[in-house]
Amino acid sequence: AAGVIQSPRHLIKEKRETATLKCYPIPRHDTVYWYQQGPGQDPQFLISFYEKMQSDKGSIPDRFSAQQFSDYHSELNMSSLELGDSALYFCASSSSDRNEQFFGPGTRLTVL
Amino acid sequence: QKEVEQDPGPLSVPEGAIVSLNCTYSNSAFQYFMWYRQYSRKGPELLMYTYSSGNKEDGRFTAQVDKSSKYISLFIRDSQPSDSATYLCAMVVDSWGKLQFGAGTQVVVTP
Repeated sequence: AAGVIQSPRHLIKEKRETATLKCYPIPRHDTVYWYQQGPGQDPQFLISFYEKMQSDKGSIPDRFSAQQFSDYHSELNMSSLELGDSALYFCASSSSDRNEQFFGPGTRLTVL
Repeated sequence: QKEVEQDPGPLSVPEGAIVSLNCTYSNSAFQYFMWYRQYSRKGPELLMYTYSSGNKEDGRFTAQVDKSSKYISLFIRDSQPSDSATYLCAMVVDSWGKLQFGAGTQVVVTP
């Protein structure tokens, strides 16, 4: 079965640089969620989109923005990167008629 | 106090034993519950999804929900070394599906 695809899988950036993370949801899933997971921590909700509109927002810094495109893929844009942004970033997708969320393999972001 | 409490472990069991995991929550509005398995540096894998009090079984996994006590459990029968991972409980906290996770319990199954 098709799963959530994330790219890139690994990303190394310098402080103050920008990064773009991409997420391709499971086919026919209309909702995308972004989570951040620091070392030894549980995933923290950042932002979600339903039918290409932002549906919910969590503890996402103002330096971050995201959108969902017409083909339902989503991109998380991160600017003015800080050392503390180093983490695993997960995308999850679901169908709006069910609450089950399926996670992608994640993007490991390292900020030097 | 966090809305979802989960003992971080580690929990060490011998191969073949039953693994028992649990989470408590404080918000009675939570209605949908999930259990995920996460191997180191990998994405969380959905194991069980439940929304009503009682038991739900899927292979070696049984999820239990007690809404009156705000307590959920996951049981793994006939545990294998490949079950060694971190197990996260998660709850849907709003109508848009946002998940609140527990801290995760590290499980080690020894041969």
